[in-house]
Amino acid sequence: SQQGEEDPQALSIQEGENATMNCSYKTSINNLQWYRQNSGRGLVHLILIRSNEREKHSGRLRVTLDTSKKSSSLLITASRAADTASYFCATASYNQGGKLIFGQGTELSVKP
Amino acid sequence: DSGVTQTPKHLITATGQRVTLRCSPRSGDLSVYWYQQSLDQGLQFLIQYYNGEERAKGNILERFSAQQFPDLHSELNLSSLELGDSALYFCASSSGLAGLQETQYFGPGTRLLVL
Repeated sequence: SQQGEEDPQALSIQEGENATMNCSYKTSINNLQWYRQNSGRGLVHLILIRSNEREKHSGRLRVTLDTSKKSSSLLITASRAADTASYFCATASYNQGGKLIFGQGTELSVKP
Repeated sequence: DSGVTQTPKHLITATGQRVTLRCSPRSGDLSVYWYQQSLDQGLQFLIQYYNGEERAKGNILERFSAQQFPDLHSELNLSSLELGDSALYFCASSSGLAGLQETQYFGPGTRLLVL
């Protein structure tokens, strides 16, 4: 079963706009990771945020984590057509061992 | 390129058959994970191996089995295949045991189609 839910399921924006995707999860976590998947291909790791962190940046990506609300958001600033992909959040917990539990993903379409 | 390789990229087979998917982790990584991605179930964890030993099990069917060899590559065996086994199968690797604070690097996947 999925740990989290992602919102929205699909997002369509113009190039240059910002894209925000949200992820909610159910149980306590050790860290939360975001991955990108282009059209049924492999998963590319974007960023990992630990449970004791509130915000993390990587290039045009900004991730926030609110453990009290059991939620995270991924912001992509100044989006590009190449950012078109599915984005997944995944959680890791001590009581889950090393496995990642994935959300259903947000399908992002960036129109040139 | 994540450094994780998977073969084959595509596999088409018939119901009732058996297939083997192969994964080579990144150099130095001791943990290997298998995931299944299907339209109805999404991305699901199947099983984890660390340095040759099974460490965690997820929603893996009894018809499926895996192992990790001394050279750390891993194989996922799927038998008595059913139509519903059609999916994208990913292997991931990480350096440590628990993988809790570590990135898991994913391979390109094997797309299995059962006809």
